[in-house]
Amino acid sequence: EVQLLESGGGLVQPGGSLRLSCAASGLTFSSYAMSWVRQAPGKGLEWVSAISGSGGSTYYADSVKGRFTISRDNFKNTLYLQMNSLRAEDTAVYYCAKYSGTTVTTRWFDPWGQGTLVTVSS
Amino acid sequence: DIVMTQTPLSLSVTPGQPASISCKSSQSLLHSDGKTYLYWYLQKPGQSPQLLIYEVSSRFSGVPDRFSGSGSGTDFTLKISRVEAEDVGVYYCMQGIHLPITFGPGTKVDIK
Repeated sequence: EVQLLESGGGLVQPGGSLRLSCAASGLTFSSYAMSWVRQAPGKGLEWVSAISGSGGSTYYADSVKGRFTISRDNFKNTLYLQMNSLRAEDTAVYYCAKYSGTTVTTRWFDPWGQGTLVTVSS
Repeated sequence: DIVMTQTPLSLSVTPGQPASISCKSSQSLLHSDGKTYLYWYLQKPGQSPQLLIYEVSSRFSGVPDRFSGSGSGTDFTLKISRVEAEDVGVYYCMQGIHLPITFGPGTKVDIK
């Protein structure tokens, strides 16, 4: 069974930084593209970023481009999201999700992790 | 970006009765490979989203057959033939044909 476990969330001041991690188990990690999807409190789902299985290709939503960096360590079976210059509007539960294949389009997300809450506030 | 819309945004259903959710995309989700990349997710209260339907009409592993998806191009529908108490939550459609991946606003389903 594939399991994804996020960590690293917390309270951070505007302008601050945070690094999220997603530990994956039960799969050949490098065979799958991975993604981060966030959900602001009481709101819907917003795709944030994605990375190919090799880590050689990365993709970002315009709302985070230039501030967030997605990466992965295929030896540690871990996905990361480095978040810099955080804003109040970045407050959300951040989910990592496994793509059903190697590409970041034409694929679905399954499973999703349980999420980690990031709160940006002074 | 492809904009996804859903109607209704909320739905209250009597157990055993059917329910239907509509999803529309601002662009066709038909790929040159002949497949249509429209997905349906259910987020139960306090849980992460879970996949119900992929590529418009294929039920994901373990999804009860009371769930069905249909549609083409830009218009899609999720139907629940007989709603059960465990079906409460927020249903999202999602397009997977172009980045950025985009979701509908969600349809909240509860039980009368």
